[in-house]
Amino acid sequence: GIQVEQSPPDLILQEGANSTLRCNFSDSVNNLQWFHQNPWGQLINLFYIPSGTKQNGRLSATTVATERYSLLYISSSQTTDSGVYFCAVINYGGSQGNLIFGKGTKLSVKP
Amino acid sequence: EAQVTQNPRYLITVTGKKLTVTCSQNMNHEYMSWYRQDPGLGLRQIYYSMNVEVTDKGDVPEGYKVSRKEKRNFPLILESPSPNQTSLYFCASSLGGISGIGTQYFGPGTRLLVL
Repeated sequence: GIQVEQSPPDLILQEGANSTLRCNFSDSVNNLQWFHQNPWGQLINLFYIPSGTKQNGRLSATTVATERYSLLYISSSQTTDSGVYFCAVINYGGSQGNLIFGKGTKLSVKP
Repeated sequence: EAQVTQNPRYLITVTGKKLTVTCSQNMNHEYMSWYRQDPGLGLRQIYYSMNVEVTDKGDVPEGYKVSRKEKRNFPLILESPSPNQTSLYFCASSLGGISGIGTQYFGPGTRLLVL
């Protein structure tokens, strides 16, 4: 099945710094989403982005489907950005309800 | 308020005692899904439902059952729980339809401990 790899696995930033999180996938996808799990365990959808670029405040995401990767940019990071960031995909040739998650990037933003 | 609710939020049980975790959404979503989250393994899909009476296995369905008799509810059933089903469980829903499952909205999670 499709493989989803996220990097880096861990990231420590000083408040105000910028960062880029990467999600690589091994096959064609027709659904890609980014999620943030906060330190209390709540999962929040950040972007639905199977292709192209989107921005929402300090966060933006770009998916280059032909090259099988997606990037999540966090600018001017804040302590509230801490948590784990997951990307998840649906394989274009697979079951269309089967959402596959990467193992996540754990982000810690220090004040 | 648009939301996905799960009950119970915390549960301690013993091996073999049947249990049900309920999931309900009030957004008229067609797609619903269950995931489990374990340290080092991330989130893995257990079962999903594209619409009422339509369910399918995810990546780790063994030991679980689901049903989708009505649009808003998608309960997860553990007929004979075992300690390896100790985990954090999430239900999610999304609009679904011909354009694909769309943006996922997650419930608050259910922490299950099987002794």
